[in-house]
Amino acid sequence: GENVEQHPSTLSVQEGDSAVIKCTYSDSASNYFPWYKQELGKRPQLIIDIRSNVGEKKDQRIAVTLNKTAKHFSLHITETQPEDSAVYFCAARAGGSYIPTFGRGTSLIVHP
Amino acid sequence: GAGVSQSPSNKVTEKGKDVELRCDPISGHTALYWYRQRLGQGLEFLIYFQGNSAPDKSGLPSDRFSAERTGESVSTLTIQRTQQEDSAVYLCASSPGTDRNTIYFGEGSWLTVV
Repeated sequence: GENVEQHPSTLSVQEGDSAVIKCTYSDSASNYFPWYKQELGKRPQLIIDIRSNVGEKKDQRIAVTLNKTAKHFSLHITETQPEDSAVYFCAARAGGSYIPTFGRGTSLIVHP
Repeated sequence: GAGVSQSPSNKVTEKGKDVELRCDPISGHTALYWYRQRLGQGLEFLIYFQGNSAPDKSGLPSDRFSAERTGESVSTLTIQRTQQEDSAVYLCASSPGTDRNTIYFGEGSWLTVV
């Protein structure tokens, strides 16, 4: 089955800096890669996703890049703000499967 | 409309007791998932329902865990003879079941086994 590795487990940045979270996946058939944000005590919520026919997608301060050859994808957050502090999960879903496999999460801390 | 609803939000139970956790998916969503999240850990897949198809139970950790779903509505996750290692947040999620497949999570049921 699919295996998703996520790094780093913890990321601490100053407000205004950029943050990058990286994930690798094992199943070359995976074609859908969502990112979820989970604030403390809250439900995970989708913030951005990308499909395998696209190399990059942006939404305001967040962007995701995908390298299918290397089987890795990354979340980029620019101009970080304290409210970006949360745990971020990447996931991968193979074609023909409706079950995403999640990474272990990255705790992002943005210091004011 | 309403999101995914789970109950109870918190449950403390004694080791060896059975517990039932309930999930109400978003109306019209044919796909329903259960995940487990231990403290500080990732999201561990448990079981997946899609319409009237046989569920994918490949993530259930032991035969003490079971889940049912009535049609395309409510689902119940049952843990029998609870153990301390069962303590976790149990997250339910649903999706339209189409290729878009964005899944929407509930707030979770926090289970503590003492």
